[in-house]
Amino acid sequence: EPEVTQTPSHQVTQMGQEVILRCVPISNHLYFYWYRQILGQKVEFLVSFYNNEISEKSEIFDDQFSVERPDGSNFTLKIRSTKLEDSAMYFCASSEGRGSDTIYFGEGSWLTVV
Amino acid sequence: RKEVEQDPGPFNVPEGATVAFNCTYSNSASQSFFWYRQDCRKEPKLLMSVYSSGNEDGRFTAQLNRASQYISLLIRDSKLSDSATYLCVVRRSGGSNYKLTFGKGTLLTVNP
Repeated sequence: EPEVTQTPSHQVTQMGQEVILRCVPISNHLYFYWYRQILGQKVEFLVSFYNNEISEKSEIFDDQFSVERPDGSNFTLKIRSTKLEDSAMYFCASSEGRGSDTIYFGEGSWLTVV
Repeated sequence: RKEVEQDPGPFNVPEGATVAFNCTYSNSASQSFFWYRQDCRKEPKLLMSVYSSGNEDGRFTAQLNRASQYISLLIRDSKLSDSATYLCVVRRSGGSNYKLTFGKGTLLTVNP
């Protein structure tokens, strides 16, 4: 079964550093997403991306965050000047984008900011 | 009011028990409804979509009441492998918006 892959699985970074989380969505999917889950809390939507642009973003997704699709396969989330409260599991997801189709999640990248 | 609210749990049940999860949502524009399961420190995985007529998949039955903005999941004959957090999820669709809104989840532990 095709899957969404994410790297790294775990990253520890110092406060103030920049982090790039990488994702390879399922190949025929057109919609891409980032969600995050702080330990013990619910999964929260960050951003959706379609046709090479952001289609929707949440209040969490401020100027500290950016997304990019640098080539035909990768989808990245960049977090600038990381803060302690950015520590969370970040999930990439993708979907074909037609009707009520399924959104598939990657296994997540666990980010620890120290 | 939270967009998606679930039983706080946790639920501890013996193998073979029937367990019910309840969920309410606040946005009447929500159009699609799902139950996901999430194992500890893993990604959410779709368990089943929820349709207005109700739907069943083996031991799992999901119900939707749009008038009450209420969703339920029933697990019959629970197995040890059912132990996980069950997430109620809604989606507002329109244009390019396929954003999922998650509840906090209800932890289920099935004991031998």
